[in-house]
Amino acid sequence: KAGVTQTPRYLIKTRGQQVTLSCSPISGHRSVSWYQQTPGQGLQFLFEYFSETQRNKGNFPGRFSGRQFSNSRSEMNVSTLELGDSALYLCASGHPGTSGGVSTDTQYFGPGTRLTVL
Amino acid sequence: KNQVEQSPQSLIILEGKNCTLQCNYTVSPFSNLRWYKQDTGRGPVSLTIMTFSENTKSNGRYTATLDADTKQSSLHITASQLSDSASYICVVSASNSGGYQKVTFGIGTKLQVIP
Repeated sequence: KAGVTQTPRYLIKTRGQQVTLSCSPISGHRSVSWYQQTPGQGLQFLFEYFSETQRNKGNFPGRFSGRQFSNSRSEMNVSTLELGDSALYLCASGHPGTSGGVSTDTQYFGPGTRLTVL
Repeated sequence: KNQVEQSPQSLIILEGKNCTLQCNYTVSPFSNLRWYKQDTGRGPVSLTIMTFSENTKSNGRYTATLDADTKQSSLHITASQLSDSASYICVVSASNSGGYQKVTFGIGTKLQVIP
């Protein structure tokens, strides 16, 4: 079974531009989450999509947006790029699970897209 | 404010030795706690996941413990190998009112195993 794939792997943009990142989840997974990872802040949750609907959102400005398609593939868009947006953007697809009635969804991460804003 | 703090920030150990990584959290209401291993240049890979009722979980040479009363978790690595060199991230999930989970990540412990 193929893992989570993300494209592109590396991207260089300049301030003010916009960027679209793509994520293809593991076949059969309907949940896709996006994260930003920087050396100083670690991993931070951006948003989660399930069946084409955003069902969870982190504390990021409106410049960060996403969507999910009917085939569960997801895209993330960042408009008006800032230098601070330079980071590794990780996508994870989710496989639902429970243990003792508690949700224990397992997430499988892709390799990430390294975005550099100049 | 929900927080997850990990210690130490970095650690260097000799191959074959054991080590323990710590995670303290203030996330509430607690749903589950996971440990991830992230190799350089790769996405995180799940090692263990524990719910409130579980206080220990093993995955090969990795053993995670959870004390929900003190809100502490540890990840113990036995007989370390060079391939254990990675960042280890503690992730704690809280159940929000919408029925979904709010996920808080620790900043990670960078482990280096040397020959």
